Amino acid sequence: AQKVTQAQTEISVVEKEDVTLDCVYETRDTTYYLFWYKQPPSGELVFLIRRNSFDEQNEISGRYSWNFQKSTSSFNFTITASQVVDSAVYFCALSEDKGANSKLTFGKGITLSVRP
Amino acid sequence: GAGVSQSPRYKVTKRGQDVALRCDPISGHVSLYWYRQALGQGPEFLTYFNYEAQQDKSGLPNDRFSAERPEGSISTLTIQRTEQRDSAMYRCASSLGQGDYSNQPQHFGDGTRLSIL
Repeated sequence: AQKVTQAQTEISVVEKEDVTLDCVYETRDTTYYLFWYKQPPSGELVFLIRRNSFDEQNEISGRYSWNFQKSTSSFNFTITASQVVDSAVYFCALSEDKGANSKLTFGKGITLSVRP
Repeated sequence: GAGVSQSPRYKVTKRGQDVALRCDPISGHVSLYWYRQALGQGPEFLTYFNYEAQQDKSGLPNDRFSAERPEGSISTLTIQRTEQRDSAMYRCASSLGQGDYSNQPQHFGDGTRLSIL
């Protein structure tokens, strides 16, 4: 069975600080996909990134970066120079490759508060 | 519209009533998913469809829950004889499809907040 653990529940930082959100996953499959979603206070779920298990290159998109390490089964998310608009709940999720689409297994989420 | 559309946004009903929740996916998206999200938790998978075929319903909690997507587009999640424990946010998502497009990102609707009195 697949599992996603987000051990941090709440993080509070001051604007412009860097912050890293941790994600650890468990799966028996050799091919799988990892995702991050953002849920702002307005409640919608916004897709941020998708990575497959064969691509361990780190990715940077503006102030966001992701560090995928298969050796530690982790897919961590760093926000550089955080802003108040980054305040949200962030979910890490995993799907296994069954040759077709499959369900997402989500972690419990990390509530990030960025104070001015 | 451009995104996944769910209706109603809010539903309040008495225990024992049946409810039907509707999802209109992004145009052209083959796959449609239903999730349930309790307060303070991540979404939990219920069921999903490719076109009109229900591929996996392992997440449906019991036989009071059912879903259909008869024409491969709009889907309805039905809960019969509702109970207070069914209260949650019900979210629908859609993704592009199969083959080279499998496991594409799922795009979520704003959800239906269901409250059972």
